[in-house]
Amino acid sequence: ELKVEQNPLFLSMQEGKNYTIYCNYSTTSDRLYWYRQDPGKSLESLFVLLSNGAVKQEGRLMASLDTKARLSTLHITAAVHDLSATYFCAVDMGNNNDMRFGAGTRLTVKP
Amino acid sequence: DAGVTQSPTHLIKTRGQQVTLRCSPKSGHDTVSWYQQALGQGPQFIFQYYEEEERQRGNFPDRFSGHQFPNYSSELNVNALLLGDSALYLCATQGPHPENIQYFGAGTRLSVL
Repeated sequence: ELKVEQNPLFLSMQEGKNYTIYCNYSTTSDRLYWYRQDPGKSLESLFVLLSNGAVKQEGRLMASLDTKARLSTLHITAAVHDLSATYFCAVDMGNNNDMRFGAGTRLTVKP
Repeated sequence: DAGVTQSPTHLIKTRGQQVTLRCSPKSGHDTVSWYQQALGQGPQFIFQYYEEEERQRGNFPDRFSGHQFPNYSSELNVNALLLGDSALYLCATQGPHPENIQYFGAGTRLSVL
């Protein structure tokens, strides 16, 4: 069965610092999603990565996908408080878009 | 353009009862997926509906059932509620787009006492 593992699960960082969140998955997939969830809110789509080597950037966040290593990363550059949230990666199981989510990384950015 | 809407927002039930949750998709979306998110966990896939039929199902018992209507809206039904069914239930919809992005509703918070 597919396993999606994120690490770290909890991340506390200072404003202005850089850090990377990792998402490992256990089966073949070439489609991976990153979502953000604020407390008490729903999930907001951040990135869709559709092929090996895909890289996407939006503001201070950059996501990449290595399908051979079954690894995706979400890199945070010069963190600001507004980035505090829980970040989930999700792997597409197949054509019918059965998505499996990681446990999430709860990010807190401190001044 | 309204996004994905879910009702009710919150619900309190007792063990053994039955519950129905509702989801209206984003305009142009024809596929509806349901997820259960326990506190502090990632969403767990329950099932997906397309063309009024269940197309995929996750590892959930038959107590969890659903329906999709001709207007693409959907219901999630849970019978014989257990304490462990307490969670946030999320509906996600998608349309015929190559990126297959799922757009999530705000969820229904179910508490089973």
